[in-house]
Amino acid sequence: KQEVTQIPAALSVPEGENLVLNCSFTDSAIYNLQWFRQDPGKGLTSLLLIQSSQREQTSGRLNASLDKSSGRSTLYIAASQPGDSATYLCAVEHNTDKLIFGTGTRLQVFP
Amino acid sequence: GAGVSQTPSNKVTEKGKYVELRCDPISGHTALYWYRQSLGQGPEFLIYFQGTGAADDSGLPNDRFFAVRPEGSVSTLKIQRTERGDSAMYLCASRQGNTGELFFGEGSRLTVL
Repeated sequence: KQEVTQIPAALSVPEGENLVLNCSFTDSAIYNLQWFRQDPGKGLTSLLLIQSSQREQTSGRLNASLDKSSGRSTLYIAASQPGDSATYLCAVEHNTDKLIFGTGTRLQVFP
Repeated sequence: GAGVSQTPSNKVTEKGKYVELRCDPISGHTALYWYRQSLGQGPEFLIYFQGTGAADDSGLPNDRFFAVRPEGSVSTLKIQRTERGDSAMYLCASRQGNTGELFFGEGSRLTVL
């Protein structure tokens, strides 16, 4: 059974810092991995999707890497801003056509 | 609309009542998913539709939960004899086909008193 773990569970940093959020999964036979952002009481917003054949994806200040063999992904946030404060969730997908989520990292960026 | 739409955004009900939650996916998306999220947890899979049929309903917790998608577009999640433990955020998502990026709605927050 696939298990997805995210570390740290919570993070509080001053504005401007570069951040690394970690996601690990136990079954490396995945189709893809997706990172989401969730604001309090809201739905999920897709940030980056990495296919199993890819090593990384970039969008603006965000960069996500995938090491399938070791069961790890990292989300790198450059020059963090208060508006980045949210919960970040990673999810993996197998050939079952459904995503398995981690419990998220709650990020707070203070001015 | 441009995104996934869910109604109601908030629902408060009493224990034992029947509840329906609606999801209107992005136009043209054939795959539709329901997830449930408790406070401080990641979303948990409930059921997945490909077109009109439920391709995987293995996440439904018990027979009080049922979902339909009669015309392959809008879906309704139905919960009978609600219990306090059903209180959660219910999230709907859709995508074209069965791979690729998944788009979520804003969720329906259910509170059972």
